[in-house]
Amino acid sequence: DAGVTQSPTHLIKTRGQQVTLRCSPKSGHDTVSWYQQALGQGPQFIFQYYEEEERQRGNFPDRFSGHQFPNYSSELNVNALLLGDSALYLCASSLWGAQLRAFFGQGTRLTVV
Amino acid sequence: AQSVTQPDIHITVSEGASLELRCNYSYGATPYLFWYVQSPGQGLQLLLKYFSGDTLVQGIKGFEAEFKRSQSSFNLRKPSVHWSDAAEYFCAVGAREAANAGKSTFGDGTTLTVKP
Repeated sequence: DAGVTQSPTHLIKTRGQQVTLRCSPKSGHDTVSWYQQALGQGPQFIFQYYEEEERQRGNFPDRFSGHQFPNYSSELNVNALLLGDSALYLCASSLWGAQLRAFFGQGTRLTVV
Repeated sequence: AQSVTQPDIHITVSEGASLELRCNYSYGATPYLFWYVQSPGQGLQLLLKYFSGDTLVQGIKGFEAEFKRSQSSFNLRKPSVHWSDAAEYFCAVGAREAANAGKSTFGDGTTLTVKP
């Protein structure tokens, strides 16, 4: 049984570009949350998706958007990249109603140059 | 708003020694509480969680934590540290109210170094 898988593992982008990160939830899970973890800090909640809709959102600008597909996989999109967007992006999956029993993926390391 | 403070940025202990990592939280009611461990370049692994009931919680890898409501603390302990415990440790608070279900707030972590 595969756990939460994220792709790619690493990528480098230039300021102003756009990036898409992908997450496949653990088998049987229907809810996906995204977190940003800057260097030396704890993860910060970006948003959460269930039934293809954004259900919760943290304090992130509209440049951060997401999508959930019918198979429960999810994408995180970031537009107009800034140097400060460089971070480890973590995906967590769970069942709706049991979001606190979430499993985390290994993350995608994004470097903006 | 909920918040988490981990007062110790970096802790060094000798292998075999005991360990206590501190965590203080701010929340309007009794929160859900978690400890995670993160090895370099890896995601987060859940060590233990407190939802309700017994305030002393047992976790994986020999870790335990105690919820103290009066001190707003949830400190992580291990009686004898192994070299493989060297990692970053995060304390987190989860909201109980439905409006914020699933939003976890993390501390900034404590880096544990284990001396041989």
